[in-house]
Amino acid sequence: GIQVEQSPPDLILQEGANSTLRCNFSDSVNNLQWFHQNPWGQLINLFYIPSGTKQNGRLSATTVATERYSLLYISSSQTTDSGVYFCAVGGLDSSYKLIFGSGTRLLVRP
Amino acid sequence: GAVVSQHPSRVICKSGTSVKIECRSLDFQATTMFWYRQFPKQSLMLMATSNEGSKATYEQGVEKDKFLINHASLTLSTLTVTSAHPEDSSFYICSARPTLDTEAFFGQGTRLTVV
Repeated sequence: GIQVEQSPPDLILQEGANSTLRCNFSDSVNNLQWFHQNPWGQLINLFYIPSGTKQNGRLSATTVATERYSLLYISSSQTTDSGVYFCAVGGLDSSYKLIFGSGTRLLVRP
Repeated sequence: GAVVSQHPSRVICKSGTSVKIECRSLDFQATTMFWYRQFPKQSLMLMATSNEGSKATYEQGVEKDKFLINHASLTLSTLTVTSAHPEDSSFYICSARPTLDTEAFFGQGTRLTVV
């Protein structure tokens, strides 16, 4: 099955810093989403981005499907950005299931 | 975005009993829903695909007799953990999407503790 790798596994930032999270996947995809998991476990949808670039406030994401990677940019980080960021992809097998990467654990210090 | 609601959010049960978790799509119909499991500090692992009106499809290594899935309507899927044991303690979370080519939304999750 499709493999999803995220890097870095852990990231510590000072408030106000910028960061880039990476997601590599092993096969062609028809779905790619970025999520933020809050301390209560809720998955917050950040981006649905199987290809191209999107921006939402301080966050933006880019997926280069032909090269099988996606990037999540966080600018001017805030303490509330802390948590785990997951990338999840859906393959072309028409099952529509999402396979998750191992996540990036982000801590933003004041 | 679309809303997926999961209930209960937290449950504690005794070893050997069964627990039912509900997943509802509140503002759309979902012929397919997905159940995931997450252990502490780990990623989400897909357990099964719930199909309305037909049998669920389980991922390799998931015991279908322990994790019973019923998708009786276009807005409701249930996961029953049968004869629960402490090792079944985990965070269970469901997912659905309005159409199969749009983003997936997740329920709030259910934290199961078996004592």
